[in-house]
Amino acid sequence: GENVEQHPSTLSVQEGDSAVIKCTYSDSASNYFPWYKQELGKRPQLIIDIRSNVGEKKDQRIAVTLNKTAKHFSLHITETQPEDSAVYFCAASSNAGNMLTFGGGTRLMVKP
Amino acid sequence: DTAVSQTPKYLVTQMGNDKSIKCEQNLGHDTMYWYKQDSKKFLKIMFSYNNKELIINETVPNRFSPKSPDKAHLNLHINSLELGDSAVYFCASSQGQGPYYEQYFGPGTRLTVT
Repeated sequence: GENVEQHPSTLSVQEGDSAVIKCTYSDSASNYFPWYKQELGKRPQLIIDIRSNVGEKKDQRIAVTLNKTAKHFSLHITETQPEDSAVYFCAASSNAGNMLTFGGGTRLMVKP
Repeated sequence: DTAVSQTPKYLVTQMGNDKSIKCEQNLGHDTMYWYKQDSKKFLKIMFSYNNKELIINETVPNRFSPKSPDKAHLNLHINSLELGDSAVYFCASSQGQGPYYEQYFGPGTRLTVT
Protein backbone atom coordinates (compact mmCIF):
# COMPACT_ATOMS: atom_id res chain seq x y z
CA GLY A 1 0.00 0.00 0.00
CA GLU A 2 0.90 3.66 -0.16
CA ASN A 3 3.23 5.18 2.45
CA VAL A 4 3.56 8.96 2.80
CA GLU A 5 6.36 10.55 4.78
CA GLN A 6 6.17 14.23 5.77
CA HIS A 7 8.89 16.58 7.02
CA PRO A 8 9.45 18.48 9.17
CA SER A 9 7.10 17.51 11.96
CA THR A 10 7.29 21.03 13.39
CA LEU A 11 8.25 24.28 11.71
CA SER A 12 8.59 27.70 13.30
CA VAL A 13 8.97 30.82 11.14
CA GLN A 14 8.77 34.57 11.59
CA GLU A 15 5.79 36.36 10.17
CA GLY A 16 6.53 37.33 6.59
CA ASP A 17 8.99 34.50 5.99
CA SER A 18 8.34 31.54 3.71
CA ALA A 19 7.57 28.01 4.87
CA VAL A 20 8.18 24.79 2.99
CA ILE A 21 6.81 21.37 3.89
CA LYS A 22 7.96 18.27 2.03
CA CYS A 23 6.38 14.88 1.44
CA THR A 24 7.50 11.69 -0.23
CA TYR A 25 5.29 8.82 -1.36
CA SER A 26 6.00 5.21 -2.19
CA ASP A 27 3.37 4.15 -4.75
CA SER A 28 4.32 5.25 -8.27
CA ALA A 29 0.67 4.81 -9.27
CA SER A 30 -0.39 7.70 -7.02
CA ASN A 31 -1.66 10.57 -9.10
CA TYR A 32 -3.47 12.95 -6.78
CA PHE A 33 -1.86 14.93 -3.97
CA PRO A 34 -4.02 17.17 -1.75
CA TRP A 35 -2.94 19.30 1.19
CA TYR A 36 -5.17 19.78 4.21
CA LYS A 37 -4.91 22.42 6.94
CA GLN A 38 -6.12 21.69 10.45
CA GLU A 39 -6.34 24.59 12.88
CA LEU A 40 -6.24 23.85 16.59
CA GLY A 41 -9.35 21.95 17.63
CA LYS A 42 -10.88 22.20 14.18
CA ARG A 43 -11.50 19.86 11.27
CA PRO A 44 -9.02 19.30 8.41
CA GLN A 45 -9.83 21.39 5.35
CA LEU A 46 -8.51 21.15 1.82
CA ILE A 47 -6.32 24.11 0.88
CA ILE A 48 -4.78 23.04 -2.41
CA ASP A 49 -4.28 19.92 -4.49
CA ILE A 50 -2.29 18.83 -7.51
CA ARG A 51 -2.67 16.07 -10.05
CA SER A 52 0.18 14.12 -11.56
CA ASN A 53 -0.11 15.73 -14.97
CA VAL A 54 0.92 19.09 -13.49
CA GLY A 55 4.27 20.03 -11.99
CA GLU A 56 3.20 23.10 -10.06
CA LYS A 57 0.04 24.82 -8.91
CA LYS A 58 -0.35 28.16 -7.19
CA ASP A 59 -3.17 29.83 -5.30
CA GLN A 60 -2.30 33.25 -3.93
CA ARG A 61 0.31 32.72 -1.18
CA ILE A 62 0.36 28.95 -1.37
CA ALA A 63 1.87 26.73 -4.04
CA VAL A 64 2.48 23.05 -4.46
CA THR A 65 5.18 21.40 -6.55
CA LEU A 66 5.34 17.79 -7.66
CA ASN A 67 8.30 15.72 -8.83
CA LYS A 68 6.90 12.40 -10.03
CA THR A 69 10.29 10.96 -10.87
CA ALA A 70 11.55 11.47 -7.35
CA LYS A 71 8.11 10.79 -5.85
CA HIS A 72 8.01 13.88 -3.75
CA PHE A 73 5.84 16.97 -3.50
CA SER A 74 6.05 20.13 -1.46
CA LEU A 75 3.86 22.90 -0.06
CA HIS A 76 5.20 26.43 -0.18
CA ILE A 77 3.65 29.26 1.81
CA THR A 78 4.99 32.74 1.18
CA GLU A 79 4.58 35.86 3.33
CA THR A 80 3.39 33.79 6.25
CA GLN A 81 0.85 35.26 8.65
CA PRO A 82 -0.09 34.24 12.21
CA GLU A 83 -3.35 32.75 10.89
CA ASP A 84 -1.29 30.29 8.85
CA SER A 85 -0.39 28.60 12.15
CA ALA A 86 -1.91 25.12 12.00
CA VAL A 87 -1.10 21.48 11.32
CA TYR A 88 -0.68 20.76 7.61
CA PHE A 89 -1.20 17.30 6.14
CA CYS A 90 -0.12 16.06 2.77
CA ALA A 91 -1.81 13.05 1.21
CA ALA A 92 -1.54 10.81 -1.81
CA SER A 93 -4.00 8.68 -3.70
CA SER A 94 -4.38 6.75 -6.91
CA ASN A 95 -7.30 5.82 -9.11
CA ALA A 96 -7.06 2.25 -7.98
CA GLY A 97 -6.55 3.17 -4.35
CA ASN A 98 -9.89 4.88 -3.78
CA MET A 99 -8.52 6.35 -0.62
CA LEU A 100 -6.19 9.02 0.71
CA THR A 101 -3.07 8.11 2.65
CA PHE A 102 -2.02 11.00 4.86
CA GLY A 103 1.43 12.06 5.95
CA GLY A 104 2.17 12.49 9.64
CA GLY A 105 1.46 16.22 9.65
CA THR A 106 3.56 19.36 10.15
CA ARG A 107 2.82 21.79 12.93
CA LEU A 108 3.55 25.25 11.54
CA MET A 109 3.95 28.11 13.99
CA VAL A 110 4.17 31.64 12.63
CA LYS A 111 5.57 34.08 15.19
CA PRO A 112 4.34 37.66 14.96
CA ASP B 1 -26.22 24.81 7.20
CA THR B 2 -23.61 22.42 8.64
CA ALA B 3 -22.21 20.24 5.86
CA VAL B 4 -20.93 17.26 7.86
CA SER B 5 -22.03 16.89 11.46
CA GLN B 6 -21.08 14.43 14.16
CA THR B 7 -22.52 13.60 17.56
CA PRO B 8 -21.39 13.63 20.22
CA LYS B 9 -18.50 16.09 20.17
CA TYR B 10 -16.98 14.58 23.31
CA LEU B 11 -17.35 11.07 24.65
CA VAL B 12 -15.82 9.87 27.90
CA THR B 13 -16.37 6.26 28.83
CA GLN B 14 -14.83 3.33 30.65
CA MET B 15 -12.99 0.35 29.23
CA GLY B 16 -15.24 -2.46 28.15
CA ASN B 17 -18.22 -0.26 27.33
CA ASP B 18 -19.94 -0.06 23.94
CA LYS B 19 -20.49 3.34 22.31
CA SER B 20 -21.67 4.85 19.05
CA ILE B 21 -20.78 7.97 17.11
CA LYS B 22 -23.20 9.36 14.55
CA CYS B 23 -22.38 11.19 11.35
CA GLU B 24 -24.65 12.97 8.90
CA GLN B 25 -23.91 14.95 5.75
CA ASN B 26 -26.33 17.23 3.92
CA LEU B 27 -24.17 17.73 0.84
CA GLY B 28 -25.80 15.01 -1.22
CA HIS B 29 -22.48 13.17 -1.39
CA ASP B 30 -22.27 9.50 -2.31
CA THR B 31 -19.17 8.54 -0.33
CA MET B 32 -18.50 8.74 3.41
CA TYR B 33 -15.47 7.91 5.53
CA TRP B 34 -14.33 7.39 9.08
CA TYR B 35 -10.85 8.49 10.12
CA LYS B 36 -9.00 8.09 13.41
CA GLN B 37 -6.59 10.80 14.59
CA ASP B 38 -4.37 9.71 17.43
CA SER B 39 -2.61 11.85 20.04
CA LYS B 40 0.29 12.47 17.66
CA LYS B 41 -2.14 13.91 15.11
CA PHE B 42 -1.64 11.03 12.70
CA LEU B 43 -4.74 10.79 10.50
CA LYS B 44 -5.64 7.31 9.27
CA ILE B 45 -8.61 6.07 7.32
CA MET B 46 -10.71 3.35 8.92
CA PHE B 47 -13.67 2.81 6.60
CA SER B 48 -15.20 4.11 3.42
CA TYR B 49 -18.76 3.65 2.20
CA ASN B 50 -20.15 4.45 -1.22
CA ASN B 51 -23.93 4.55 -1.54
CA LYS B 52 -24.32 2.58 1.68
CA GLU B 53 -21.86 -0.10 0.61
CA LEU B 54 -18.52 -0.74 2.30
CA ILE B 55 -15.62 -0.15 -0.09
CA ILE B 56 -12.66 0.27 2.27
CA ASN B 57 -11.90 -1.43 5.56
CA GLU B 58 -8.35 -0.68 6.62
CA THR B 59 -7.54 -3.57 8.95
CA VAL B 60 -9.65 -2.15 11.72
CA PRO B 61 -10.46 -4.51 14.64
CA ASN B 62 -13.88 -6.05 14.28
CA ARG B 63 -14.88 -4.30 17.52
CA PHE B 64 -15.50 -1.36 15.20
CA SER B 65 -18.63 -1.73 13.10
CA PRO B 66 -19.76 1.00 10.74
CA LYS B 67 -23.38 1.19 9.68
CA SER B 68 -24.83 3.22 6.85
CA PRO B 69 -28.64 3.31 6.95
CA ASP B 70 -28.68 5.64 3.96
CA LYS B 71 -26.09 7.51 1.96
CA ALA B 72 -26.40 10.62 4.16
CA HIS B 73 -25.49 8.78 7.36
CA LEU B 74 -22.52 6.72 8.46
CA ASN B 75 -22.45 5.71 12.11
CA LEU B 76 -19.62 4.05 13.98
CA HIS B 77 -20.28 1.55 16.75
CA ILE B 78 -17.43 0.43 18.97
CA ASN B 79 -17.68 -2.63 21.21
CA SER B 80 -15.57 -3.43 24.26
CA LEU B 81 -13.72 -0.14 24.27
CA GLU B 82 -9.99 -0.21 25.03
CA LEU B 83 -7.60 2.49 26.23
CA GLY B 84 -5.97 2.56 22.79
CA ASP B 85 -9.26 3.60 21.21
CA SER B 86 -8.85 7.05 22.75
CA ALA B 87 -8.53 9.43 19.82
CA VAL B 88 -10.42 11.97 17.76
CA TYR B 89 -12.68 10.31 15.20
CA PHE B 90 -13.52 12.28 12.07
CA CYS B 91 -16.29 11.54 9.66
CA ALA B 92 -15.88 12.86 6.10
CA SER B 93 -17.77 12.80 2.84
CA SER B 94 -17.02 13.34 -0.83
CA GLN B 95 -19.14 13.73 -3.92
CA GLY B 96 -17.87 10.57 -5.50
CA GLN B 97 -15.66 7.57 -5.03
CA GLY B 98 -12.02 7.96 -5.93
CA PRO B 99 -9.13 10.26 -5.21
CA TYR B 100 -10.06 13.42 -7.09
CA TYR B 101 -13.05 14.36 -4.99
CA GLU B 102 -12.48 16.78 -2.13
CA GLN B 103 -13.22 15.26 1.24
CA TYR B 104 -15.23 17.38 3.65
CA PHE B 105 -14.57 16.59 7.28
CA GLY B 106 -16.91 16.76 10.22
CA PRO B 107 -15.93 18.56 13.45
CA GLY B 108 -14.62 15.39 15.07
CA THR B 109 -15.57 13.36 18.15
CA ARG B 110 -13.00 13.23 20.93
CA LEU B 111 -13.27 9.79 22.54
CA THR B 112 -11.58 9.25 25.89
CA VAL B 113 -11.50 5.77 27.34
CA THR B 114 -10.59 5.55 31.02
